[in-house]
Amino acid sequence: DAGVTQSPTHLIKTRGQQVTLRCSPKSGHDTVSWYQQALGQGPQFIFQYYEEEERQRGNFPDRFSGHQFPNYSSELNVNALLLGDSALYLCASSLMVQGASEETQYFGPGTRLLVL
Amino acid sequence: AQTVTQSQPEMSVQEAETVTLSCTYDTSESNYYLFWYKQPPSRQMILVIRQEAYKQQNATENRFSVNFQKAAKSFSLKISDSQLGDTAMYFCAFMSGAGTASKLTFGTGTRLQVTL
Repeated sequence: DAGVTQSPTHLIKTRGQQVTLRCSPKSGHDTVSWYQQALGQGPQFIFQYYEEEERQRGNFPDRFSGHQFPNYSSELNVNALLLGDSALYLCASSLMVQGASEETQYFGPGTRLLVL
Repeated sequence: AQTVTQSQPEMSVQEAETVTLSCTYDTSESNYYLFWYKQPPSRQMILVIRQEAYKQQNATENRFSVNFQKAAKSFSLKISDSQLGDTAMYFCAFMSGAGTASKLTFGTGTRLQVTL
């Protein structure tokens, strides 16, 4: 039973560039949430995707966008990268039950992004 | 908005001893979920334990147990018979039970070091 997978594991970009991070959910899960974890801090919620739509969004600018595919996998896109975007990006998957995602979220290993 | 506070940035415990990590939260909701996640140096966020607010009984998972005090909005984690592999960052997290609001709100974490 495959857990949550993310790619790539590490990424180095320069300011102003664009980046795409990928996530495959745990088998049987249909909901994907993305979090940003700055060094020494707890993860911050970016957004959540279900049925290929953004369901909920945290306090992040429009430079952060996402997508969910029919197979439930997801991408996180960040445009016009800033130095402050350097962080660990975590993907978590869960199962929506009767329209409410109250199920436990399981995390992938993360993608470490460094913006120079 | 919900907030989660972990007031112990770092803790240390000897192998085989017991340690308690503290967490308090603030919410006006009556239905919610609380979690403890562990993040070892490998950075993968691993679920330790989950508590539903409507359950009076404290959750237990092997050596891990919680002390859930709903009125005090307190949710501490007790680790018994500490092992070297328990060394990690521990994050307390809150999830609303209000239907569609399923994001996790994390505390700032407690770094636990288990020593010989």
